[in-house]
Amino acid sequence: SYVLTQPPSVSVAPGKTATIICRGDNIGTKSVHWYQQKPGQAPVLVFSYDRDRPSGILERFSGSNSGNTATLTISRVEAGDEADYYCQVWDSSSDHVVFGGGTTLTVL
Amino acid sequence: EVQLVESGGGVVQPGGSLRLSCAASGFIFSNYWMSWVRQAPGKGLEWVATIKQDGTEKYYLDSVKGRFTISRDSAKTSLFLQMNSLRAEDTALYYCATSEVQYSTSSLYFDFWGRGTLVTVFS
Repeated sequence: SYVLTQPPSVSVAPGKTATIICRGDNIGTKSVHWYQQKPGQAPVLVFSYDRDRPSGILERFSGSNSGNTATLTISRVEAGDEADYYCQVWDSSSDHVVFGGGTTLTVL
Repeated sequence: EVQLVESGGGVVQPGGSLRLSCAASGFIFSNYWMSWVRQAPGKGLEWVATIKQDGTEKYYLDSVKGRFTISRDSAKTSLFLQMNSLRAEDTALYYCATSEVQYSTSSLYFDFWGRGTLVTVFS
């Protein structure tokens, strides 16, 4: 089955750029979607290549995808960006949705 | 405004059954694929099942296939998850989510989420 791997945690200072990676075999051939989940809340879609930036999501969130690595970039990080971030793809070979294990972003 | 409200969670013994419901409003329910995604306490997100607008296509996580059944009622604008033969590892917060599918890019993602309903399988 297809596997997505994320680092458990990332730390960044306020105002800097945070980079969260998601690794998967030939992930560059897939559409990757990113979700933000704050404690006690439901996940929120923050970036997807398949649609315009979700309503209410700031332009500070962007993504890239090539080879075996997809990346979510958060520029000018704020304290309110502290959350868990998950990558997700559809694996057409198994007709399954796959989530990465999640990355906890800490703003120092 | 899109609203998804899950209900039906609770405490059940291993081997028992529960039926989850998701009441949808604020969008044209019959136009959307719908899904269930779960999250065990302190763990990450795990997809459970997805159903097409007309119910003709359904997809399941391997570990729930044969035990769980996803269904929908467009007249009631509701999504359901019938869960049988429940196991301790099914304990989780279950989210209902609208799903966008794009065949051209083999893509499926979750646009709007409910707040979830908690299922606890405990003896």
